[in-house]
Amino acid sequence: GQNIDQPTEMTATEGAIVQINCTYQTSGFNGLFWYQQHAGEAPTFLSYNVLDGLEEKGRFSSFLSRSKGYSYLLLKELQMKDSASYLCAAMDSNYQLIWGAGTKLIIKP
Amino acid sequence: EAGVVQSPRYKIIEKKQPVAFWCNPISGHNTLYWYLQNLGQGPELLIRYENEEAVDDSQLPKDRFSAERLKGVDSTLKIQPAELGDSAVYLCASSLGRGVTDTQYFGPGTRLTVL
Repeated sequence: GQNIDQPTEMTATEGAIVQINCTYQTSGFNGLFWYQQHAGEAPTFLSYNVLDGLEEKGRFSSFLSRSKGYSYLLLKELQMKDSASYLCAAMDSNYQLIWGAGTKLIIKP
Repeated sequence: EAGVVQSPRYKIIEKKQPVAFWCNPISGHNTLYWYLQNLGQGPELLIRYENEEAVDDSQLPKDRFSAERLKGVDSTLKIQPAELGDSAVYLCASSLGRGVTDTQYFGPGTRLTVL
């Protein structure tokens, strides 16, 4: 079957760095997406990886290892506004996104 | 550029009543998705449209849910009759196509409460 695993909740301190891990199993693979979702709001696109390696975009970076079925989202210089849920989603061979349950990130001052 | 528009934002109904949600995708986006999201969970696909054709509705409970996308633009999702377990956020998303680089953009969602 198809499955996405990510931690339910993480806590970090303002100004620090946090890494949110995601493992996936899909029928075929067409890339890995990360979305941010603030409470009561819609998911917003953060990053897309299809090749192995690290993609950096400002304070956010995303890494992919296709052979390990593994990705992580790295957030640097954490700000209070980064408190949100982070959703990992893998695209399968039918171009359908398989979503994880999300990781709730709590930032403390 | 306007984003995905959904209405209403909130809806409270009694069980067994009908309810409808409306979505206007980003202009030029051919692919439209309806998702259901429960608290603390990721979105679950209900139906995907390519223009006006429903190409993936395998997860749509067809005994009570229906959807349409007339003229390949706006879409409506209907539940009749609603059940208590239908309480959730209904998200609409759109993308240029369904390819790997076609990012899905989400609307604000409709929060449905069934009493």
